[in-house]
Amino acid sequence: GEDVEQSLFLSVREGDSSVINCTYTDSSSTYLYWYKQEPGAGLQLLTYIFSNMDMKQDQRLTVLLNKKDKHLSLRIADTQTGDSAIYFCAETPFSNQFYFGTGTSLTVIP
Amino acid sequence: DGGITQSPKYLFRKEGQNVTLSCEQNLNHDAMYWYRQDPGQGLRLIYYSQIVNDFQKGDIAEGYSVSREKKESFPLTVTSAQKNPTAFYLCASSTGQGLVTDTQYFGPGTRLTVL
Repeated sequence: GEDVEQSLFLSVREGDSSVINCTYTDSSSTYLYWYKQEPGAGLQLLTYIFSNMDMKQDQRLTVLLNKKDKHLSLRIADTQTGDSAIYFCAETPFSNQFYFGTGTSLTVIP
Repeated sequence: DGGITQSPKYLFRKEGQNVTLSCEQNLNHDAMYWYRQDPGQGLRLIYYSQIVNDFQKGDIAEGYSVSREKKESFPLTVTSAQKNPTAFYLCASSTGQGLVTDTQYFGPGTRLTVL
């Protein structure tokens, strides 16, 4: 399978910004996704970005894509305790096949 | 409400027993997937199906089997051949049409513990 890498842990203080990073391997991926997983639950789609875009903003979420370096990041502004979860990036080099990263566990400190 | 359901939420099995995890969706999706999640390893694809009566092995299919007799259902059997079956299992579905909005929708998961 494809290698999609993420840092395992991130801690931030409430109100600060969080930046979660992801590197992927296949430059042919058309879409790249960010999912959120709360404890004991399935994954929920947060946002996605086309490979021909550099940035996408959606309320408190900003996605940055550097295709040259195959680097994707998710910035969460004004991080709240409810944002504590595991965040996964995913790429789709082939139709209907998703490759997920290892997940980053975000802890928000009150 | 449309969505994906998995049952049971928690499942306990004795070593040497086969067990079947249920996954049902009413989203009219063609494609369905099974993933295994272990701490620090992210999601690993077990099997996927793009259409009824057809399925393909993913990265870690050994010790697992599936069937896809109906569009709505994609049960996963964890056999006694699976050496380390204790994990969190996630089922997902997508339209399977390769569209821009063809993301995967996930069920709530089943936590399997082998005693």
